[in-house]
Amino acid sequence: DSGVTQTPKHLITATGQRVTLRCSPRSGDLSVYWYQQSLDQGLQFLIQYYNGEERAKGNILERFSAQQFPDLHSELNLSSLELGDSALYFCASSVGADPNQPQHFGDGTRLSIL
Amino acid sequence: QKEVEQDPGPLSVPEGAIVSLNCTYSNSAFQYFMWYRQYSRKGPELLMYTYSSGNKEDGRFTAQVDKSSKYISLFIRDSQPSDSATYLCAMMSLWAGNMLTFGGGTRLMVKP
Repeated sequence: DSGVTQTPKHLITATGQRVTLRCSPRSGDLSVYWYQQSLDQGLQFLIQYYNGEERAKGNILERFSAQQFPDLHSELNLSSLELGDSALYFCASSVGADPNQPQHFGDGTRLSIL
Repeated sequence: QKEVEQDPGPLSVPEGAIVSLNCTYSNSAFQYFMWYRQYSRKGPELLMYTYSSGNKEDGRFTAQVDKSSKYISLFIRDSQPSDSATYLCAMMSLWAGNMLTFGGGTRLMVKP
């Protein structure tokens, strides 16, 4: 158990809808990262937050947004969903924002778009 | 061409064999190198974390980094059926925040 908690484990919805994925980092970790894992693209970095502030951004679509709250949990919001958004979404956390601090992953949320 | 290339496998070995997993990369700015293990329906689990070139050993696992060749390896000694999983290499540079760039993963099957 990595200590990173993601809910829900599985989400089924339809095209055009909006969903929110939730992540609680390990106790004491200030950085949260979101990744998308799909069969064709593999694991890809979406966005990083550190202590409530956006720190780095990857190839995140404009339809996607995230935030980190004062209690350090984070939410990833996906809107106007398309079939191609079906994937596993992982959250990871690390102690700080330095690159020498490893990232620990949760077990993901499986998003299925019908 | 992807920044990090990894043979997808599957790689099938008998129990007790030495396993060699490899990744090549093209971005010379990568300084931090990691290996993650991912079981089906689970998140990636960090196995090894190394900085720059050299070797690092942890139990049955040894990670090697050759920056001159842009090549990293993970060796698993005395492989067990419980090692059957997908192994992902990941890399990070100092100038891209803490963004991890992953290889596509190698599926390993260790047969009893």
